[in-house]
Amino acid sequence: ETGVTQTPRHLVMGMTNKKSLKCEQHLGHNAMYWYKQSAKKPLELMFVYSLEERVENNSVPSRFSPECPNSSHLFLHLHTLQPEDSALYLCASSQGGGGLYTGELFFGEGSRLTVL
Amino acid sequence: AQSVAQPEDQVNVAEGNPLTVKCTYSVSGNPYLFWYVQYPNRGLQFLLKYITGDNLVKGSYGFEAEFNKSQTSFHLKKPSALVSDSALYFCAVRDRKSSASKIIFGSGTRLSIRP
Repeated sequence: ETGVTQTPRHLVMGMTNKKSLKCEQHLGHNAMYWYKQSAKKPLELMFVYSLEERVENNSVPSRFSPECPNSSHLFLHLHTLQPEDSALYLCASSQGGGGLYTGELFFGEGSRLTVL
Repeated sequence: AQSVAQPEDQVNVAEGNPLTVKCTYSVSGNPYLFWYVQYPNRGLQFLLKYITGDNLVKGSYGFEAEFNKSQTSFHLKKPSALVSDSALYFCAVRDRKSSASKIIFGSGTRLSIRP
């Protein structure tokens, strides 16, 4: 139990579907992240929210849309995805990152997405 | 610019033998250094971190890592490997002055422990 919960753990969707991934953290952290992990590729940082404001968006296609309604919840809305978007999507949280905080990330178990 | 390198895609060790997973880094300032482990179909789990002070850092599951500033390395070690240590290991680095989102992960090293 890492304190970061992701649902669903597995998702299969067609290219025309709309679905969402959910992440909830119980660690009292103030920053949340979406990463994409594909086979044979480095971890890709997609989005960062700090204090519920999006602070990074690393050239992610618009078919991925994040939402952070509060500091404990993070969503990734998926629409019109492509087969190459099939991957493990990891949510993470951290506290700060500057000053007293070393800012290590705590990850959820991931959502395995398959796009047909 | 920050970077981290894990020169070995795979490390194979016999159970009971010592293991080392290598990591070298490059940052413009002073680093925070991290090791994470990922078991199949799971997320990354934090193992240990170097902040300051003693160059030998102890972490979860009997792992330790040695910070070497002159060689800019942060190798992960364990005196006696277990089959259950088989997993994917990631080294990560961040400049102390940057935000947590600026953490850079290595490409990962797959550790395989044979019985």
